Amino acid sequence: DAKTTQPTSMDCAEGRAANLPCNHSTISGNEYVYWYRQIHSQGPQYIIHGLKNNETNEMASLIITEDRKSSTLILPHATLRDTAVYYCIVKDNNNDMRFGAGTRLTVKP
Amino acid sequence: DAGVIQSPRHEVTEMGQEVTLRCKPISGHDYLFWYRQTMMRGLELLIYFNNNVPIDDSGMPEDRFSAKMPNASFSTLKIQPSEPRDSAVYFCASSFNAWNTEAFFGQGTRLTVV
Repeated sequence: DAKTTQPTSMDCAEGRAANLPCNHSTISGNEYVYWYRQIHSQGPQYIIHGLKNNETNEMASLIITEDRKSSTLILPHATLRDTAVYYCIVKDNNNDMRFGAGTRLTVKP
Repeated sequence: DAGVIQSPRHEVTEMGQEVTLRCKPISGHDYLFWYRQTMMRGLELLIYFNNNVPIDDSGMPEDRFSAKMPNASFSTLKIQPSEPRDSAVYFCASSFNAWNTEAFFGQGTRLTVV
């Protein structure tokens, strides 16, 4: 049911930028791209979202391609506490939120 | 606000027993979501409500599962009778009535059916 595809896993060195890709080639014009992460067995935590423009907040940056078929979440200076499963989802105006398998990011010292 | 509150945090029950999971959404939120998470199937959307009305329950696995939202501040997910394959972590989430706002998740209920 998920409308996105992500790599299963990625590694990143502590202090370096983590770039997590997501493909959403069937996204429609009114659908937003959202990113959440889940640390260990906690509830998913919202990170950032966008429609067509690049977005930045205190946690991360979101780069959306011009055709909106893919996006990249950037954690500028990854720490060990950023080790988590990162989910990219698209959400329409029905507010339907379905998660895929996500990317397991491991930040290594 | 204390966030989305789920209870109990852990539940162990015997096969065949009825299980009721509870959720208190964030005050003012119009949407409420129930998810189930297992290693095999990941995070599955079971059902979601808008203004206490179920919008999509296509993810509810079978008739043994039912969800209600009697008012804006409370929802339940019931399993009757429970089976070992229902063992999972169940999450509740809530959000405002707009698709450009984020959802907030509770800490989950870990259900074990033996």
